Amino acid sequence: EDQVTQSPEALRLQEGESSSLNCSYTVSGLRGLFWYRQDPGKGPEFLFTLYSAGEEKEKERLKATLTKKESFLHITAPKPEDSATYLCAVQVDQAGTALIFGKGTTLSVSS
Amino acid sequence: KAGVTQTPRYLIKTRGQQVTLSCSPISGHRSVSWYQQTPGQGLQFLFEYFSETQRNKGNFPGRFSGRQFSNSRSEMNVSTLELGDSALYLCASSQDDSADTQYFGPGTRLTVL
Repeated sequence: EDQVTQSPEALRLQEGESSSLNCSYTVSGLRGLFWYRQDPGKGPEFLFTLYSAGEEKEKERLKATLTKKESFLHITAPKPEDSATYLCAVQVDQAGTALIFGKGTTLSVSS
Repeated sequence: KAGVTQTPRYLIKTRGQQVTLSCSPISGHRSVSWYQQTPGQGLQFLFEYFSETQRNKGNFPGRFSGRQFSNSRSEMNVSTLELGDSALYLCASSQDDSADTQYFGPGTRLTVL
């Protein structure tokens, strides 16, 4: 069964304290891995798409990386406005365009 | 370019009723997918439509159905509502049916009493 696991479930950081979120996956055939950010009461906001092992994408304080078994979302010098739930999702060969989501990591950054 | 829009944003229904939710994709996007988000199960795929055809369906009962119109707008319907159907229903659009980024709308919050 295709599965996505995110860790930790929750993470509290001080402003400026860098850290990483993990997304491990067990799938039959990966078509793409996606990172989203979700604020309370809102829909997920797209961050990155990664397609192959070794690929990296960056946007402001965020950097996403991909290996054959997991992806990391690195947050450098976070600010309070980075507080949100970060969701990882995969598309697999046998499931068409359906996204399989992890449960998310809720990040709180305090000043 | 306008994002994905969903109406209504909030709904309160009682058990046994039915409900219809609407989604307008980003202009030019032809694929629309629906997801259910609950605190316990997270985000789960309901179904996907492309060119007015259902291309993929998740593991939900037949009470959940949908359709897509020629202008790519989509509706989903839930009949005989149950308490467990209370959730945030999210619509996402993408340009086509390949491995393409999906952009989400703000969701419709459904509460079943």
